[in-house]
Amino acid sequence: QVQLVQSGAEVKKPGASVKLSCKTSGYTFSKYYMHWVRQAPGQGLEWMGIINPSGGSTSSAQKFQGRVTMTRDTSTSTVYMEVSSLRSEDTAVYYCARGRAEFDSWGQGTLVTVSS
Amino acid sequence: QSVLTQPPSVSGAPGQRVTISCTGSSSSIGTNYDVHWYQHLPGTAPKLLIYGNNNRPSGVPDRFSGSKSGTSASLAITGLQAEDEADYYCQSYDSTLTASGVFGGGTKLTVL
Repeated sequence: QVQLVQSGAEVKKPGASVKLSCKTSGYTFSKYYMHWVRQAPGQGLEWMGIINPSGGSTSSAQKFQGRVTMTRDTSTSTVYMEVSSLRSEDTAVYYCARGRAEFDSWGQGTLVTVSS
Repeated sequence: QSVLTQPPSVSGAPGQRVTISCTGSSSSIGTNYDVHWYQHLPGTAPKLLIYGNNNRPSGVPDRFSGSKSGTSASLAITGLQAEDEADYYCQSYDSTLTASGVFGGGTKLTVL
């Protein structure tokens, strides 16, 4: 079955970077885009960006451009997202989600806490 | 402020029918982008409920249905059950933001 397993919780200081991973299994990695979505405490879901695992092309929401880098490793069927220049407002649960238009499978989420 | 607008909350008694609206614009829902719906329970990953405006993934009860018209979409839940109490989000894309994914602000469904 399709599985998306994300890396563990992180605690970072303001200004630091964090690199999250999402290891996939149960399907052909190159055939589905992967999205990143986050949810800050008490807030709704927020779309961050998308990566095409086939060629590696990416696109991110305007709000995150310049601060978010998405990559993939086809040998391990894993996608990564690095967020730089962290600030307290980046404290959130970050999800990877598989899909072309709709997101049909989600990772379990990674809590990132940004605190001095 | 979300690109897609949802009511913050709706409620209904067990067995009743509720609807959740999702209003977009000519650059999002109105540009022929499909609308998808997710159910989100605290501490869990969101679950795809409706895709392509009105299609249910395998395993989703037929009590859940979706529709789309113009720049708006709706999620309907009939025969409300206590386990339906959750947050619901609509999702689509917006052509003014380089086809960025967009979510509604979410609607908290309370089963009375």
